[in-house]
Amino acid sequence: QLQLQESGPGLVKPSETLSLTCAVSGGSISSTTDYWGWIRQPPEKGLEWIGTIYDRGNTYYNPSLESRVTILLHTSKNQFSLNLSSVTAADTAVYYCARVGGTPPLRYVMDVWGQGTTVTVSS
Amino acid sequence: DIQMTQSPSSVSASVGDRVTITCRASQGIRSWLAWYQQKPGKAPKLLIYVASSLQSGVPSRFGGSGSGTDFTLTISSLQPEDFATYYCQQAYSLPLTFGGGTKVEIK
Repeated sequence: QLQLQESGPGLVKPSETLSLTCAVSGGSISSTTDYWGWIRQPPEKGLEWIGTIYDRGNTYYNPSLESRVTILLHTSKNQFSLNLSSVTAADTAVYYCARVGGTPPLRYVMDVWGQGTTVTVSS
Repeated sequence: DIQMTQSPSSVSASVGDRVTITCRASQGIRSWLAWYQQKPGKAPKLLIYVASSLQSGVPSRFGGSGSGTDFTLTISSLQPEDFATYYCQQAYSLPLTFGGGTKVEIK
């Protein structure tokens, strides 16, 4: 059974870089039919897609965050990561990693989620 | 970007009630729509994909319909464990976008 687990600092200072890792177990991150993504949810707000990585490193990012986001695959560790630079208080949120379907009918659908990790941006 | 608009933003209902939530896309997305359920402090859970296909393990009281721009999630007989927030998401094109959510509360 596929499981995802986020990890990383819970507190980041303004202007610094937020770095999170998603560990994948019960499946391979090198799967050619699966994509991998990050989604966030500010306190008491809705869901925002951050970006997706697939096929050994191709990426799609939300245009609203694209200038600050990097998502990478770490195949030897069966993990993928998120870096978000120049953070502000507006980046405070619960960050989720998820498996994203790469082929129909689950294309672009998040069917397995991590439990989420809370990141607060504050000095 | 495709904007997704859900209504209502909240609904109060009783156990056993039929509940309907709607989601409208700002442009046609064929049947590329998913629905998620989120309980407080938990990650979203996939309920339905391609507008009407039930994810494995999801109770049959959940149903989805629609295509193009207008979609519906129906809970045929609300159960205590269904009180949660529901989100739609378009899976037609990038960037992926979600509706604002509908909170189903106990009447």
